[in-house]
Amino acid sequence: AQSVAQPEDQVNVAEGNPLTVKCTYSVSGNPYLFWYVQYPNRGLQFLLKYITGDNLVKGSYGFEAEFNKSQTSFHLKKPSALVSDSALYFCAVILSDAGGYNKLIFGAGTRLAVHP
Amino acid sequence: GAGVSQTPSNKVTEKGKYVELRCDPISGHTALYWYRQSLGQGPEFLIYFQGTGAADDSGLPNDRFFAVRPEGSVSTLKIQRTERGDSAVYLCASSLSGQETQYFGPGTRLLVL
Repeated sequence: AQSVAQPEDQVNVAEGNPLTVKCTYSVSGNPYLFWYVQYPNRGLQFLLKYITGDNLVKGSYGFEAEFNKSQTSFHLKKPSALVSDSALYFCAVILSDAGGYNKLIFGAGTRLAVHP
Repeated sequence: GAGVSQTPSNKVTEKGKYVELRCDPISGHTALYWYRQSLGQGPEFLIYFQGTGAADDSGLPNDRFFAVRPEGSVSTLKIQRTERGDSAVYLCASSLSGQETQYFGPGTRLLVL
């Protein structure tokens, strides 16, 4: 069965330091990979996605993610964290040959806390 | 442009009651999805519409849950005989087509007492 794992419930980072939020996936076939962010009492906001091509994907708010097929990972990164980046981050996956539509499978989420 | 909107933002009901949750997708988006997010978990797929028809309802937990999209735009998720375990945030998303990025609404927080 397809699944997504976010091994860290919470990541703590000092403002200005680089951040990494980890994600690994388990699917058969070629995955489409996504990162979404959720602020309190708000819906999910799309950050970035990997479909094909360059393994390093750049997205909104200075975030980027690196697709690593051999390690089945899609870690989210940012060179310099901001306090305003504090939120809940979700990794999600679909299958590229899933019959023509996107049924997103989400990880459990990682809470990012950026301290001043 | 306007994003996905959902009403109500919060709904409190009593066990056994019927509720309806509404989703208004981004204009022109043919694909619409419902997800349910329980506390401390990631969203879980419920149902997918392409146009007016439910193309995949495999995520609906039981026959108390039903959704419609009669004109291919607004969708309503209906829950009969609500149970305390139905308490969650219900998220709606839409995309330009079935293969495009999904954009989510703010959700409806349902509390069943």
